[in-house]
Amino acid sequence: KAGVTQTPRYLIKTRGQQVTLSCSPISGHRSVSWYQQTPGQGLQFLFEYFSETQRNKGNFPGRFSGRQFSNSRSEMNVSTLELGDSALYLCASRSALTTSGYYEQYFGPGTRLTVT
Amino acid sequence: EDKVVQSPLSLVVHEGDTVTLNCSYEVTNFRSLLWYKQEKKAPTFLFMLTSSGIEKKSGRLSSILDKKELFSILNITATQTGDSAVYLCALYNNAGNMLTFGGGTRLMVKP
Repeated sequence: KAGVTQTPRYLIKTRGQQVTLSCSPISGHRSVSWYQQTPGQGLQFLFEYFSETQRNKGNFPGRFSGRQFSNSRSEMNVSTLELGDSALYLCASRSALTTSGYYEQYFGPGTRLTVT
Repeated sequence: EDKVVQSPLSLVVHEGDTVTLNCSYEVTNFRSLLWYKQEKKAPTFLFMLTSSGIEKKSGRLSSILDKKELFSILNITATQTGDSAVYLCALYNNAGNMLTFGGGTRLMVKP
């Protein structure tokens, strides 16, 4: 089974621009979550999508948005980029509930965004 | 707000040493506690703990959860240089759609 893929892997943008990151989950996984990782704040939850619906959202400004398509692929968009948005953006793909009663969650390799 | 605190922040040991990493939390209700290992890339899954007092083992790594005292530990015995990484602890909310991470423990194993 192929793992979680994220594109692009690296990105350099300037302040004020916008950016779109893409995530393709593991085949059969319908839940996709996004996380931001910075040296200062660690790993923080952005939002989660399941069957094209946003089910949960973290404490981030409205400049951060996302969506999920019918094939479960997800995109996140950051508008009006700020220097502080420089981070590793990780996507996680989650399985359905297993017979043991837990979820399996796997992370993609991440997109490293640098804002100058 | 849910809070997950890991200690120590960083640790330097020599190959062969045993280490214990701590994760404490201030969450009243959660589905499970997870441990991840992160090298220079995405976190890789180590353990998922849902029940108190039941140790999970994988080779030289083991972990246990204490829901009464609100903490978990990750033990690594006979450490190797390949164990050098950041170890992350995270709580899965009841809905299973959000992980709250601790700040991580950076482990360096010297030859």
